[in-house]
Amino acid sequence: EAQVTQNPRYLITVTGKKLTVTCSQNMNHEYMSWYRQDPGLGLRQIYYSMNVEVTDKGDVPEGYKVSRKEKRNFPLILESPSPNQTSLYFCASSPRTGRSPLHFGNGTRLTVT
Amino acid sequence: DQQVKQNSPSLSVQEGRISILNCDYTNSMFDYFLWYKKYPAEGPTFLISISSIKDKNEDGRFTVFLNKSAKHLSLHIVPSQPGDSAVYFCAASGDKGSNYQLIWGAGTKLIIKP
Repeated sequence: EAQVTQNPRYLITVTGKKLTVTCSQNMNHEYMSWYRQDPGLGLRQIYYSMNVEVTDKGDVPEGYKVSRKEKRNFPLILESPSPNQTSLYFCASSPRTGRSPLHFGNGTRLTVT
Repeated sequence: DQQVKQNSPSLSVQEGRISILNCDYTNSMFDYFLWYKKYPAEGPTFLISISSIKDKNEDGRFTVFLNKSAKHLSLHIVPSQPGDSAVYFCAASGDKGSNYQLIWGAGTKLIIKP
């Protein structure tokens, strides 16, 4: 089944404790992206990658890191999480950027206390 | 400043009637628009799109209308069904200069009443 898989689905952590949210797609898509969803703000892009070893900042990259060492994986790293990073996170992929509809994972609900 | 606005946080419609969801944008460089639907505990799924060279695109019960002069688009669902209850996001894409990145509205929660 074609899908984008994020793990974990739920995560509660404390301020400053490094964490990684994994994202994997099995559709051989070139483009991958991370979003956060907050009430009243919709989806805001954190980072995106147009291909392997190519990553770019989105609208809200502060406090996040990503890597794209292989096509299928695009992990999101929070080196020192803070409470303002409490949010719902989505990973997405598409064959190409922008004009191709995105396929989303089911989300990761992160709480930082 | 939000470049894509969905001014109605929620909308309630009777089953069988037409649902109209609205979206406004400010950036005239946007030339491609998409609607996504999201159920609770799931990621958004693509619904329908429209290019700025068109003013209407139809797919079954779903039709998107684009009014470029007003910088406004709308999604019509006819007839509305209970399974249409979800949050709907409007998104706009710029040109190659912006790497075609999407800018999203805040979403409208559609509730279909039986």
